[in-house]
Amino acid sequence: QIQLVQSGAEVKKPGASVKVSCQASGYPFTNYGISWVRQAPGQGLEWMGWISPTMITNDAQKFQGRVTMTTDTSTSTAYMDLRSLTSDDTAVYYCARDDRNWGRFDLWGHGTLVTVSS
Amino acid sequence: DIQMIQSPSSLSASIGDRLTLTCRASQSIRTHLNWYQQKPGKAPILLISDASNLQSGVPSRFSGSGSGTDFTLTIGSLQPEDFATYFCQQRYSTPRTFGQGTKVEIK
Repeated sequence: QIQLVQSGAEVKKPGASVKVSCQASGYPFTNYGISWVRQAPGQGLEWMGWISPTMITNDAQKFQGRVTMTTDTSTSTAYMDLRSLTSDDTAVYYCARDDRNWGRFDLWGHGTLVTVSS
Repeated sequence: DIQMIQSPSSLSASIGDRLTLTCRASQSIRTHLNWYQQKPGKAPILLISDASNLQSGVPSRFSGSGSGTDFTLTIGSLQPEDFATYFCQQRYSTPRTFGQGTKVEIK
């Protein structure tokens, strides 16, 4: 079954970091990149960046310096690490398959809710 | 950044209605425009890529058109499972940007 399985919900305090994982199955992980997209409660979708299987990245300027995306091809897993969290980072974080950074998100993970609260 | 504006932000419709949703880009994006459907608590699903390419498995009642700055998503005959929020997204440049969505509700 072709799918992206993400890690579970997180609750973090302001100033902390969070690391979300996204494990691919059912397709060759090394043939596709991954984009990260987030959605604040009741809001629209916001693209955070893209990473290739060989860890070439393209981050949205808004998140540069605060986000690190990595991959582990041995486990077909992508990771997104977001630092210096504020309440504005409370959102569902999605990973999405994105071939060669074409910006076409044809397979999505189920989402990971990250809540930032003191 | 390219701004994507969708209209209307919400609408009420009945089963069997023909719907047209619009999306406008702040600059030309040629045909680099995707449409997604999202239901509450679920991840988005890609419906149409590059303005008019229907994805495999998506019902043929969905169609897309447009180029440059103006795009439309048409649902030929609304079905119960089509009540959802629809987002457009440009892939012409980074950062990829989405419209704010059009919520389709039952009348």
